[in-house]
Amino acid sequence: NAGVTQTPKFRILKIGQSMTLQCTQDMNHNYMYWYRQDPGMGLKLIYYSVGAGITDKGEVPNGYNVSRSTTEDFPLRLELAAPSQTSVYFCASSTPGYPSNQPQHFGDGTRLSIL
Amino acid sequence: AQSVTQPDIHITVSEGASLELRCNYSYGATPYLFWYVQSPGQGLQLLLKYFSGDTLVQGIKGFEAEFKRSQSSFNLRKPSVHWSDAAEYFCAVVGGAQKLVFGQGTRLTINP
Repeated sequence: NAGVTQTPKFRILKIGQSMTLQCTQDMNHNYMYWYRQDPGMGLKLIYYSVGAGITDKGEVPNGYNVSRSTTEDFPLRLELAAPSQTSVYFCASSTPGYPSNQPQHFGDGTRLSIL
Repeated sequence: AQSVTQPDIHITVSEGASLELRCNYSYGATPYLFWYVQSPGQGLQLLLKYFSGDTLVQGIKGFEAEFKRSQSSFNLRKPSVHWSDAAEYFCAVVGGAQKLVFGQGTRLTINP
């Protein structure tokens, strides 16, 4: 029972480089989320998706893009990495139906450093 | 705007002692409230949630939380902590646009 799987676990990027953070879930959950966690702060929502082909911005979407071509996968792309994007990124999923559609399962995170 | 305050950044308790982590929220309507736990190097795990009904909510790992509307609080409790409870704990409320708003977290250290 894998749950939510994120890759890579760690990555160092140079300023201006691009990369994709991968997230996949095997629970057939409709809702998926990307959060970032900075030291001493709670989680901030970057983007979310309510199903394949549907994505929407969260609280801090600038500098990021997402796509949702399948139910299982929800990759997060950084096009031009900036030091402000140094953070730990978490992907999460949940079943539909408000208010239960809040994140239920989280991946273990991707720790990203931009130098 | 909706907000969550966890007044204690860091708490240390002895193993076997009782625990209470504080959470205060700001939200005009009936709040939907959550507690999550994050062990080092891991993602968040849902401990419990409150939507309606009984104001004392039972969760996993022996945790419970009590919703007190008059105090705008949703404090997390455990009668006897174990060393494995050392982690960071996050309170969250469903805010505008039906999205979670997280508190800053409380780091729990357990003394042997």
